[in-house]
Amino acid sequence: AQSVTQPDIHITVSEGASLELRCNYSYGATPYLFWYVQSPGQGLQLLLKYFSGDTLVQGIKGFEAEFKRSQSSFNLRKPSVHWSDAAEYFCAVGGTADGGYNKLIFGAGTRLAVHP
Amino acid sequence: KAGVTQTPRYLIKTRGQQVTLSCSPISGHRSVSWYQQTPGQGLQFLFEYFSETQRNKGNFPGRFSGRQFSNSRSEMNVSTLELGDSALYLCASSLQNTQGVYRTGELFFGEGSRLTVL
Repeated sequence: AQSVTQPDIHITVSEGASLELRCNYSYGATPYLFWYVQSPGQGLQLLLKYFSGDTLVQGIKGFEAEFKRSQSSFNLRKPSVHWSDAAEYFCAVGGTADGGYNKLIFGAGTRLAVHP
Repeated sequence: KAGVTQTPRYLIKTRGQQVTLSCSPISGHRSVSWYQQTPGQGLQFLFEYFSETQRNKGNFPGRFSGRQFSNSRSEMNVSTLELGDSALYLCASSLQNTQGVYRTGELFFGEGSRLTVL
């Protein structure tokens, strides 16, 4: 079955520290992978996506993610966290053109808190 | 460019009633998807419409339905409301080509309609 696992429910980091959010997926075909962010009371915003090609992808707001097929992982990283990065982060899989289209499977989310 | 607009933003209903939620996608976007977000189940896909046709459906009972109009605006309806239907309902639009496969998964979300069922 297709699934996404985000092992960390809550993460707290200090402003200026580096960040890595973990994501593991289970998907039968070559997946399309996404990271979305949700600020309180808001909808979701796409941070970055992986369709194919270079396994290190750059996104908005200084985020990057690395696709590792051997580990079925797509971890999100940021070298220096800002207080405004406090939000909930969702990893998602799907969106393929073989019938998946815009049906995404989301992980449970990781809530990020940033200490000043 | 205006984003995805959802109305109403908040609503309260009682069990057994029905509700209709509306979504206006970004201009030029032909695909509209709906997701339900709850603390217990997280984000779950409801259905997707492209060019007025439902092309994907999630694992929800038939009480949940939707449609898309020729201007790409979409509505979803939940009949015979249950307490468990209380959730944030998110609409997302996506830019697709005529074949409907361009950049699948790249979704632009609205702020959601928060439904409370009493």
